Amino acid sequence: DVKVTQSSRYLVKRTGEKVFLECVQDMDHENMFWYRQDPGLGLRLIYFSYDVKMKEKGDIPEGYSVSREKKERFSLILESASTNQTSMYLCASSSAGQGGELFFGEGSRLTVL
Amino acid sequence: RKEVEQDPGPFNVPEGATVAFNCTYSNSASQSFFWYRQDCRKEPKLLMSVYSSGNEDGRFTAQLNRASQYISLLIRDSKLSDSATYLCVVTDSGNTPLVFGKGTRLSVIA
Repeated sequence: DVKVTQSSRYLVKRTGEKVFLECVQDMDHENMFWYRQDPGLGLRLIYFSYDVKMKEKGDIPEGYSVSREKKERFSLILESASTNQTSMYLCASSSAGQGGELFFGEGSRLTVL
Repeated sequence: RKEVEQDPGPFNVPEGATVAFNCTYSNSASQSFFWYRQDCRKEPKLLMSVYSSGNEDGRFTAQLNRASQYISLLIRDSKLSDSATYLCVVTDSGNTPLVFGKGTRLSVIA
């Protein structure tokens, strides 16, 4: 069974803390994505990657960075968390050129106090 | 900026009803179209792709109108288990990030 695993389902952090959200997929997918989902705003793309060590900004990259050192792992980093980064974060992966079927992780709900 | 617009709903329908959602997209270069389903507190999952000729999967029918830049999803004989948020999704090509609509919430009532 295909799987995208996000390291933490729920996190509570304080303003200014550095936050790491980890995502691992076991499908040998080339493409990986980080979204955040907020009520009334839908899914918004933060960063994506089509290959190891490659990254591209999405629609809302400010305040975030990413790391893809291995094909199966895509990390989202909040260098200095702020309250407006309280959200549900969803990682997804897909096969190259197959656009359309994204496989999502269960999500990480981050609260920044 | 590429946009995908959906009526947020909620659509509250009785069991057995037929319900239709529409979605419009702004980028005329869009090539691929999909409907995703997201249950409450769960991650989105692919429901079906949308082909130019229209396609059907059981009680679900998806249609694409390129001239008017909209896609639709028709659900016949609604079940309680169809209650979810339905996300309209488009992309330019096979390897371009998907653009998600904000979703339409459906509640099927007994």
